[in-house]
Amino acid sequence: AQTVTQSQPEMSVQEAETVTLSCTYDTSESDYYLFWYKQPPSRQMILVIRQEAYKQQNATENRFSVNFQKAAKSFSLKISDSQLGDAAMYFCAYRPIGGATNKLIFGTGTLLAVQP
Amino acid sequence: GAGVSQTPSNKVTEKGKYVELRCDPISGHTALYWYRQSLGQGPEFLIYFQGTGAADDSGLPNDRFFAVRPEGSVSTLKIQRTERGDSAVYLCASSRSFTGELFFGEGSRLTVL
Repeated sequence: AQTVTQSQPEMSVQEAETVTLSCTYDTSESDYYLFWYKQPPSRQMILVIRQEAYKQQNATENRFSVNFQKAAKSFSLKISDSQLGDAAMYFCAYRPIGGATNKLIFGTGTLLAVQP
Repeated sequence: GAGVSQTPSNKVTEKGKYVELRCDPISGHTALYWYRQSLGQGPEFLIYFQGTGAADDSGLPNDRFFAVRPEGSVSTLKIQRTERGDSAVYLCASSRSFTGELFFGEGSRLTVL
């Protein structure tokens, strides 16, 4: 069974600094997607960044980038120039490619605090 | 609509009661998902609809849970004989296609006393 592990329940960063959130996963599949979602107090899950496993290049979206290590099954999120609005729960998620469903498997989340 | 809409936003009920939670997906999105998020946990998959049919209901925890999407748009998650352990945020998401990006609603928080 596929699993996603986030070992950091809470993290804190100073405004304008850089923080890295960790995620590891377990799967026997060779093709899949990995995601980072942000969940603010409004509860709505917002997609931050997505990585296709077959792509060697790490995905980037403005201040957000990932370090994808396929062999190590590691998928960390780096937030540069942290802003107060980045404070939220962050969830790492896995989704297989193919098969009969499109369901996401989430980790337990990391609560990020941004200090002014 | 502009986004995924879920009602009610909050629901408090007593143990043993019946509850319905509604999800109105983004217009034109054929795929619809229900997830359950317990306190301190990540969302867990419940059921996936493609059009009107439930393509995967493997995440429903037991037969007290049921979901429908009769016209391929709005979906209702139904919970019979609620238990305190059913207390959670129930999230709905939709996507344009089977492989498309998921767009989530703000969830319905269910509290069973």
